[in-house]
Amino acid sequence: EVQLVESGGGLVQPGGSLRLSCAASGFSFSIYWMNWVRQAPGKGLEWVANIKPDGSEKYYVDSVKGRFTVSRDNTKNSLYLQMNSLRAEDTAVYYCARDSRAIAYWGQGTLVTVSS
Amino acid sequence: DVVLTQSPLSLPVTLGQPASISCRSSQGLVFSDGDTFLNWFQQRPGQSPRRLIYKISERDSGVPDRFSGSGSGTDFTLKISRVEAEDVGVYYCMQGTHWPWTFGQGTRVEIK
Repeated sequence: EVQLVESGGGLVQPGGSLRLSCAASGFSFSIYWMNWVRQAPGKGLEWVANIKPDGSEKYYVDSVKGRFTVSRDNTKNSLYLQMNSLRAEDTAVYYCARDSRAIAYWGQGTLVTVSS
Repeated sequence: DVVLTQSPLSLPVTLGQPASISCRSSQGLVFSDGDTFLNWFQQRPGQSPRRLIYKISERDSGVPDRFSGSGSGTDFTLKISRVEAEDVGVYYCMQGTHWPWTFGQGTRVEIK
């Protein structure tokens, strides 16, 4: 069974940093594109970033370019999102999701709140 | 960026009756390999999204056959043939053809 478990969310002040993690199991992690998708409270879904299976290509939505960095460790079956210079508008539940053009599996999400 | 426009945004439906959600794209969604990466997701209250349909009309394993997807080019539709209580939630279309991937605004399905 495919499982994606996010962690690392919490309350952070504007301008601060946070690192999210996603532990994957139940599939061959190293052969799949992985994504981060977020959902602001009461709002819709927004794709944030993704990374190629070998980590050689990474893509970001414009609003996080230069502030967020996606990475992965295939030896640990883990996906990460380093978030710097956080803003109030980054407040959201962040989901880890598998696959590229037709996202198939989602984690349960981790809440990031940016507030003073 | 590709803009996906869903309608309606709210859909009250009587149990057992059909429902239809439209998703219109600002650009064609045919990828260079000939596939069209238009997907549909269901998000029940308090839950993570769940994929129902991928590549316009391919139903995911375990998804009831009352759900179907259709369309081409820039116009796509998700249909529920007979709405059940468990279908309450928000439905999103998503395109994976053009970077960055984008989602529609969501359509809230509720029981009348």
